[in-house]
Amino acid sequence: GAVVSQHPSWVICKSGTSVKIECRSLDFQATTMFWYRQFPKQSLMLMATSNEGSKATYEQGVEKDKFLINHASLTLSTLTVTSAHPEDSSFYICSARTGQGLNEQFFGPGTRLTVL
Amino acid sequence: AQSVTQPDIHITVSEGASLELRCNYSYGATPYLFWYVQSPGQGLQLLLKYFSGDTLVQGIKGFEAEFKRSQSSVNLRKPSVHWSDAAEYFCAVGAGQAGTALIFGKGTTLSVSS
Repeated sequence: GAVVSQHPSWVICKSGTSVKIECRSLDFQATTMFWYRQFPKQSLMLMATSNEGSKATYEQGVEKDKFLINHASLTLSTLTVTSAHPEDSSFYICSARTGQGLNEQFFGPGTRLTVL
Repeated sequence: AQSVTQPDIHITVSEGASLELRCNYSYGATPYLFWYVQSPGQGLQLLLKYFSGDTLVQGIKGFEAEFKRSQSSVNLRKPSVHWSDAAEYFCAVGAGQAGTALIFGKGTTLSVSS
């Protein structure tokens, strides 16, 4: 149980285009989902927290107009990287909370974004 | 400010030898502590978590961690390492409030030599 999927697992796009990454909780309802960014050999940095049906809360330094997050349902959150540039190339990971259990999150496998 | 420090970037251990990965945290209240493992192409998998109670916590895959409040540490241990344990290990701290995100350390890469 408690499986989180991400799609796509990897994507290559041209500079200036937009890319959408999906995060789904497959067997539970996720009241809260998180989006992290991981640079090579670095830790996971929280980008934003999203609650179903409300606006995402972005961490300091994260451009909300560039990284659009939509948590439209209890099983789906999307991250759209708008007007992507090479510096946006990274590994994006989502996680989801079940709403039960103290602060336990379940992580997706990540999406590797490469912007040419 | 909350922070997590994993002082060892890379550790190599012989197969069958014991393992200890260090983690120190800075947190204003009683922390909720986690250890995750990340293998290539896979998501983070929870090894164990500490919320309260016994300071020695048992996890999956034969891992355990000892929480030492006086040292603000929660080191991960395994008595005998297997080659399949080679991966990236992350320590994380979270607040007690529901919905709060985790703060991760930079991770320790574990290599296992034969």
